Amino acid sequence: AQRVTQPEKLLSVFKGAPVELKCNYSYSGSPELFWYVQYSRQRLQLLLRHISRESIKGFTADLNKGETSFHLKKPFAQEEDSAMYYCALGGGAGGNTPLVFGKGTRLSVIA
Amino acid sequence: GAVVSQHPSRVICKSGTSVKIECRSLDFQATTMFWYRQFPKQSLMLMATSNEGSKATYEQGVEKDKFLINHASLTLSTLTVTSAHPEDSSFYICSARDIGRSSYEQYFGPGTRLTVT
Repeated sequence: AQRVTQPEKLLSVFKGAPVELKCNYSYSGSPELFWYVQYSRQRLQLLLRHISRESIKGFTADLNKGETSFHLKKPFAQEEDSAMYYCALGGGAGGNTPLVFGKGTRLSVIA
Repeated sequence: GAVVSQHPSRVICKSGTSVKIECRSLDFQATTMFWYRQFPKQSLMLMATSNEGSKATYEQGVEKDKFLINHASLTLSTLTVTSAHPEDSSFYICSARDIGRSSYEQYFGPGTRLTVT
């Protein structure tokens, strides 16, 4: 079964400090991993996808198949990074298989 | 690109009435749309997967006769909450996948706040 685990429900860091939001997944096939972000009173939006290997808003995430992890990192947190972050896993046969979401981590950046 | 809209954004209804929520993909076609509930400060809960031209697939514990889903076209899916009760009050979010892309990526609507009095 597919599963996504985000062990931290809440993560508080000071502005300028490094941030790492943890995500581990369980899937026997070849996964497609995403990070979504939900700012206050806004819709979920895609932040990163592992296949793009891009950096958005200073965030990066590397897929580690050996550790089945896809941790989200940013070297220097900003106040505007405060939001809810969801790790999501795509996989399985058929285009109608929904993403499997973790329970989310609320990031609070303190000035 | 890849915008998903929902209507209405907010609705208040009386207990026992039905409410319809529309989800549209504005600039892409979606064979598959997904419906979620989100409780305050909690994660998304998948309710059902909606497939164009066929019956929706409901998650365990979701009453299909209460939450009617219709996916009549490649750009429109509707969720009707029938005989609504106060416990149905929630934030309902739809999501769609672009038929033209070979990715599991989902695009999300802004959500509909339903309040049942």
